[in-house]
Amino acid sequence: SAVISQKPSRDICQRGTSLTIQCQVDSQVTMMFWYRQQPGQSLTLIATANQGSEATYESGFVIDKFPISRPNLTFSTLTVSNMSPEDSSIYLCSGGGGGSYEQYFGPGTRLTVT
Amino acid sequence: GNSVTQMEGPVTLSEEAFLTINCTYTATGYPSLFWYVQYPGEGLQLLLKATKADDKGSNKGFEATYRKETTSFHLEKGSVQVSDSAVYFCALSDQGNRDDKIIFGKGTRLHILP
Repeated sequence: SAVISQKPSRDICQRGTSLTIQCQVDSQVTMMFWYRQQPGQSLTLIATANQGSEATYESGFVIDKFPISRPNLTFSTLTVSNMSPEDSSIYLCSGGGGGSYEQYFGPGTRLTVT
Repeated sequence: GNSVTQMEGPVTLSEEAFLTINCTYTATGYPSLFWYVQYPGEGLQLLLKATKADDKGSNKGFEATYRKETTSFHLEKGSVQVSDSAVYFCALSDQGNRDDKIIFGKGTRLHILP
């Protein structure tokens, strides 16, 4: 298993600004994933991040809005750019892959855009 | 495409009642099936899993059996506790696709009354 931490745990941001969320894993994982969870809803996958390559984005999500970095096997960041109130959500990262088909989740970052 | 359908919530039960949360899936390959639980204010935790037909996953008194003939993975617990109040997500990972993505159901909120 893996333990995943995220920073910040929550933030309130102004429209038009950007926020970078950090995700740290206590062990090496092949793949890291970023999800959005809107209040009372299920998880929507934003992108998959592999080390040393560009992230793979799901339909409806673009790199300009959600740039992702994956500099090594234990760390990733997601930036929410040019925020609007519609970006208010919980952002979750997870780690896994490598054939285990399990993912371990961080506690989430609760973002409110005013 | 792959999908997961689970019963709508909220589900409200009294303590010590029997719990069933229905989950059915559609997959093109050979999925692994999961139940994740999200306690209030926290990230997702893997509750149990099953990787092939007829496997039974179990943890903390919860059980689910991988039924290929009915494409189901219903979650059951014989006697629920107030501490089981949470949101439960059924999910699948299609091993045939080998992209390690997890597809989540919409979640079922469970309230247990003392």
